[in-house]
Amino acid sequence: SQQGEEDPQALSIQEGENATMNCSYKTSINNLQWYRQNSGRGLVHLILIRSNEREKHSGRLRVTLDTSKKSSSLLITASRAADTASYFCATDEGAQKLVFGQGTRLTINP
Amino acid sequence: DAEITQSPRHKITETGRQVTLACHQTWNHNNMFWYRQDLGHGLRLIHYSYGVQDTNKGEVSDGYSVSRSNTEDLPLTLESAASSQTSVYFCASSGGSLLREQYFGPGTRLTVT
Repeated sequence: SQQGEEDPQALSIQEGENATMNCSYKTSINNLQWYRQNSGRGLVHLILIRSNEREKHSGRLRVTLDTSKKSSSLLITASRAADTASYFCATDEGAQKLVFGQGTRLTINP
Repeated sequence: DAEITQSPRHKITETGRQVTLACHQTWNHNNMFWYRQDLGHGLRLIHYSYGVQDTNKGEVSDGYSVSRSNTEDLPLTLESAASSQTSVYFCASSGGSLLREQYFGPGTRLTVT
């Protein structure tokens, strides 16, 4: 089953611009997580936001969660070439395991 | 530093052969997971374990098995490899609740010919 769905599937921006990715899900959740995957590597956890939180920051990352719309967004400010990667959201689907979306491929152009 | 490792990193095998992929973590995490990643399907859960002697089926468990005899290792076995099992396999672990952040290994690229 596919719980989180990222949008857009691919995003290409210039270095220094902000990048926004969205995640929608279908059922109630306990938390939502964002991960990054560089080409040929494993996923790296970025941030976890609980269902009772609306916004969370970590460095240049800002995550929002709107449980009424069943959606989340990940904002990367002042993008860098090193931010080029795929970004995945993961939700728990109300069950005791995570379900990952198909990801957004982000390309930062110099 | 604690880490999670997978071996081999690349494997080519023939249809029908039994294959075992290794996963070893030094985080002392109770929870371990196996996923496969394919274009168009994202990351899909194969099997997971809450602790020693515990294993559970995930979304795409047919043709795969796991065993957990200690905290550090969760080997994934393909009983009789099929071309449909050509994929990149990731192992992950987490501590505490199953919903905590997961730490991923570098992946194993498996090709079944």
